[in-house]
Amino acid sequence: AQSVTQLGSHVSVSEGALVLLRCNYSSSVPPYLFWYVQYPNQGLQLLLKYTTGATLVKGINGFEAEFKKSETSFHLTKPSAHMSDAAEYFCAVSLNTGNQFYFGTGTSLTVIP
Amino acid sequence: NAGVTQTPKFQVLKTGQSMTLQCAQDMNHEYMSWYRQDPGMGLRLIHYSVGAGITDQGEVPNGYNVSRSTTEDFPLRLLSAAPSQTSVYFCASSWARPSSGNTIYFGEGSWLTVV
Repeated sequence: AQSVTQLGSHVSVSEGALVLLRCNYSSSVPPYLFWYVQYPNQGLQLLLKYTTGATLVKGINGFEAEFKKSETSFHLTKPSAHMSDAAEYFCAVSLNTGNQFYFGTGTSLTVIP
Repeated sequence: NAGVTQTPKFQVLKTGQSMTLQCAQDMNHEYMSWYRQDPGMGLRLIHYSVGAGITDQGEVPNGYNVSRSTTEDFPLRLLSAAPSQTSVYFCASSWARPSSGNTIYFGEGSWLTVV
């Protein structure tokens, strides 16, 4: 079965510091990869996704992620954290077969003033 | 743009009661799904549908029922509520099946407490 692993259920960074949220997947074939953000008491919103082509993907709010096939990873980064980035972040995967999306367990990002 | 609309947003049920969580989307999406979100467990798929009249089970289907009579609507029924079903429920939809690489769009969530 497909699995998505997000290392670190809680990450704290200082305002202005680099944000790095980690995501690894278990698929042996390149999947489709997504990052979603969830603000308190809201639904999930798409930050960015990778389907094919350039492995460095830019998303909204200054976030980007890089697909590394050799490491089966899709880590999310942002050069400078803002207070408004405090939220829960989910990595998700779908495959070119099947009917499901697979989500990681989420990483809660805290931004310290 | 309405997107994916879920109702109700909050609900308290007594053990053994039944209820339906409503989900509607106005994007003509083929694929619809229901997830539950529990602390430390991420999102787990309950049921999904790849088109009107077609539904299938996800990872945690027990105690839930779905139907898809129209493209727009995908209600989730709790047959006999149990405290273990206390959770946040999300409806989500996508233009096509996940195998197409399409983005999935989420509703705002329904907070359900079973006492």
